Amino acid sequence: QSALTQPASVSGSPGQSITITCAGTSSDIGDYDYVSWYQQHPGKAPKLIIYDVNDRPSGVSNRFSGSKSGNTASLTISGLQAEDEADYYCSAYTISSTSVIFGGGTKLTVL
Amino acid sequence: EVQVVESGGGLIQPGESLRLSCAVSGFTISSNYMIWVRQVPGKGLEWVSHVYYSGGTDYSDSVKGRFTISRDTAKNTVYLQMNSLRAEDTAVYYCARGGSSWSIDYWGQGTLVTVSS
Repeated sequence: QSALTQPASVSGSPGQSITITCAGTSSDIGDYDYVSWYQQHPGKAPKLIIYDVNDRPSGVSNRFSGSKSGNTASLTISGLQAEDEADYYCSAYTISSTSVIFGGGTKLTVL
Repeated sequence: EVQVVESGGGLIQPGESLRLSCAVSGFTISSNYMIWVRQVPGKGLEWVSHVYYSGGTDYSDSVKGRFTISRDTAKNTVYLQMNSLRAEDTAVYYCARGGSSWSIDYWGQGTLVTVSS
């Protein structure tokens, strides 16, 4: 099962909004709303920031939002802050292996 | 407070075996599905294995037949027995809890496994 496709890097200035895409197939993102997003700072474990395409766990800023269209999911971060600089990973349930696949990760740089 | 703490990583030679442990507090593993995810340093995340609350298990193709996930509900601990280790198994191994709809809501800090001669 191939990984989901994310851009290697994105950047933005403080206060701006950025969007990270996550492309899958009809066997994963396209057929199920089981898309999650994780934030990972260097040397730390990933942290869940979005689940079920667009739900946020308690305590996660509402500057983070998710969406899905067809086989592609997106994470939008609004009002960029310095602490948002991190790696971001998408994941999705896949019927191909009845488990989870991840995207390759996107490095967000806050300029 | 939820805590997920992995242990057992280290430097090991190709072909040898290693068992990772994941001690959990703050929730019972028998009521949740538990996952092992690995990450090659500087690279992305890879799902390795999981055990359902029912006790059923599943593995990625890359480890099937070599790794075994198990749990001791009395100790609230999950294990990953890794046999016939290869250089490409070198990674940080995270133990985590499956949350809503195949998300992963609690992660351990990870334990590094290095397979090298």
